[in-house]
Amino acid sequence: EPEVTQTPSHQVTQMGQEVILRCVPISNHLYFYWYRQILGQKVEFLVSFYNNEISEKSEIFDDQFSVERPDGSNFTLKIRSTKLEDSAMYFCASSYADSSYEQYFGPGTRLTVT
Amino acid sequence: GEDVEQSLFLSVREGDSSVINCTYTDSSSTYLYWYKQEPGAGLQLLTYIFSNMDMKQDQRLTVLLNKKDKHLSLRIADTQTGDSAIYFCAEIPYSGGYQKVTFGTGTKLQVIP
Repeated sequence: EPEVTQTPSHQVTQMGQEVILRCVPISNHLYFYWYRQILGQKVEFLVSFYNNEISEKSEIFDDQFSVERPDGSNFTLKIRSTKLEDSAMYFCASSYADSSYEQYFGPGTRLTVT
Repeated sequence: GEDVEQSLFLSVREGDSSVINCTYTDSSSTYLYWYKQEPGAGLQLLTYIFSNMDMKQDQRLTVLLNKKDKHLSLRIADTQTGDSAIYFCAEIPYSGGYQKVTFGTGTKLQVIP
């Protein structure tokens, strides 16, 4: 069964550094998403991406965040200058362009900012 | 508005049925989902129900939807220790094609052998 993959599984970085989290969505999906889950809290929507542009973003997704689909297979989330409070599990998801509206989630990348 | 609420914790004995409840507020929700998250793992879609359905059964899982009360439940029959996890209720309010999933607070299910 096709699946969404994410790398790395765990990223440790120092405050102020830039990080790029990578995702490979399911190959024929057209909609892509990032979510985050701070330890012990609920999963929160960050951004959705379609047709090479952001289609919706939450108030969490401020100027320090950006997303990109650099080629036909990868979807990345960049955090420019990490803060301690960015420590969380980041989930990528993708969905078909049909009416099922079913999002498939990757296993997540745990980001630890020290 | 979008808000999804769940009880935080449920403990059951192995072999019993578990019922996890969820309430949501957005009446435009088209799809409602149950996700499972095992410790240290990602989100696994368990099942979903369209908002025009009342019930959906999938092996040991039964989803009940009460649209009038905006109440969703997940029943797990013959609960096993492998079912121990956090269960998230989620909704996708239809917003013109862009599907932002709103998750509930999660219910931690503990199965006692």
